[in-house]
Amino acid sequence: GQNIDQPTEMTATEGAIVQINCTYQTSGFNGLFWYQQHAGEAPTFLSYNVLDGLEEKGRFSSFLSRSKGYSYLLLKELQMKDSASYLCAVRDTGGSYIPTFGRGTSLIVHP
Amino acid sequence: IAGITQAPTSQILAAGRRMTLRCTQDMRHNAMYWYRQDLGLGLRLIHYSNTAGTTGKGEVPDGYSVSRANTDDFPLTLASAVPSQTSVYFCASSEDRDTEAFFGQGTRLTVV
Repeated sequence: GQNIDQPTEMTATEGAIVQINCTYQTSGFNGLFWYQQHAGEAPTFLSYNVLDGLEEKGRFSSFLSRSKGYSYLLLKELQMKDSASYLCAVRDTGGSYIPTFGRGTSLIVHP
Repeated sequence: IAGITQAPTSQILAAGRRMTLRCTQDMRHNAMYWYRQDLGLGLRLIHYSNTAGTTGKGEVPDGYSVSRANTDDFPLTLASAVPSQTSVYFCASSEDRDTEAFFGQGTRLTVV
């Protein structure tokens, strides 16, 4: 099985940088996804990490350390539209091979 | 516009009634999934299908059934709805089980 932990809620200021952490315990790690979900909408894919290191996509970056069971999503130059839930999902080689989602982090960006 | 479509968008259902949530994708994705999302619990996998003709149970399959007769459609059936099945249901698809998922807009189901 898997245990995925994310903070429930975070707040940040427009223009700032915020880091959303995700820790996990799994018997056979095989990739980690980040999704964004605005209130009342469907989740949308942000990033995928399978190897250690940083993946950068514009204002968003995602980092993975497999040895520490740890990932973070870094959001730079925050905008009001970044207010959303951010979902971490971990894929395990066991079972169905389908990613298991954490409970998500609700990010509130204020002016 | 290519994507994944769910119907209905919302439904109020009497307990004990049978209900089928529809999901169709036109991206020719092999894998499809049904999740439920409840406040404080995140997305939980109900059933999945890695390819047409096959299905599997997820984390919370009890009370639900699925079928995958073709690539495009993946209906979810509640045989006899109970209030604990009140939730937002998301259908999703991915090219295969190794790639990112694309989600439908969700079905908000209330069982009373």
